[in-house]
Amino acid sequence: DTGVSQDPRHKITKRGQNVTFRCDPISEHNRLYWYRQTLGQGPEFLTYFQNEAQLEKSRLLSDRFSAERPKGSFSTLEIQRTEQGDSAMYLCASSPSGTGWDGYTFGSGTRLTVV
Amino acid sequence: GNSVTQMEGPVTLSEEAFLTINCTYTATGYPSLFWYVQYPGEGLQLLLKATKADDKGSNKGFEATYRKETTSFHLEKGSVQVSDSAVYFCALVVGNEKLTFGTGTRLTIIP
Repeated sequence: DTGVSQDPRHKITKRGQNVTFRCDPISEHNRLYWYRQTLGQGPEFLTYFQNEAQLEKSRLLSDRFSAERPKGSFSTLEIQRTEQGDSAMYLCASSPSGTGWDGYTFGSGTRLTVV
Repeated sequence: GNSVTQMEGPVTLSEEAFLTINCTYTATGYPSLFWYVQYPGEGLQLLLKATKADDKGSNKGFEATYRKETTSFHLEKGSVQVSDSAVYFCALVVGNEKLTFGTGTRLTIIP
């Protein structure tokens, strides 16, 4: 297993455009999390899935943000009508449920720059 | 709510110096505590953890002790190396769900 994969690694987009990021978790992990990390800050929780069910969404996740995990495997995070404030590193993590915290693994992230 | 307050950086030390990065927390409930490390260009990696009061987490020469009475989880290392240069995040979780992170401390070790 190669760990948690995120694609793309970097994305530069113009303000107002839509962007979509993909996360491929560790195959046997049924929980998947999205976090956002801005410069000089720690990661902030956005949303998480158990299998295909989205169980919680942060208030940070405005109506322009949508996340899916249609088959309980990979997940996508879409941002519509991007704004400069959306510029950040978007991190994905996965874990098996009920195993404590040894199983929580982060990907390398997708860095979004909105110009 | 849950929060983590971390020593502000950046921190610059000479090789072989003693390191302490302070971390305190507030939590509703009984948290598990973690230190994560982020090397340049890489994702977050779990460095160490402690799940109950007085537990000591340790890894790669780093240690942190869960102090319930002071709500602290300070990171220490007796002799740092250049390869320890990274950003360090203190974090907590209550229950089996999302992590709450501190703002991170950038550590630079100079030879």
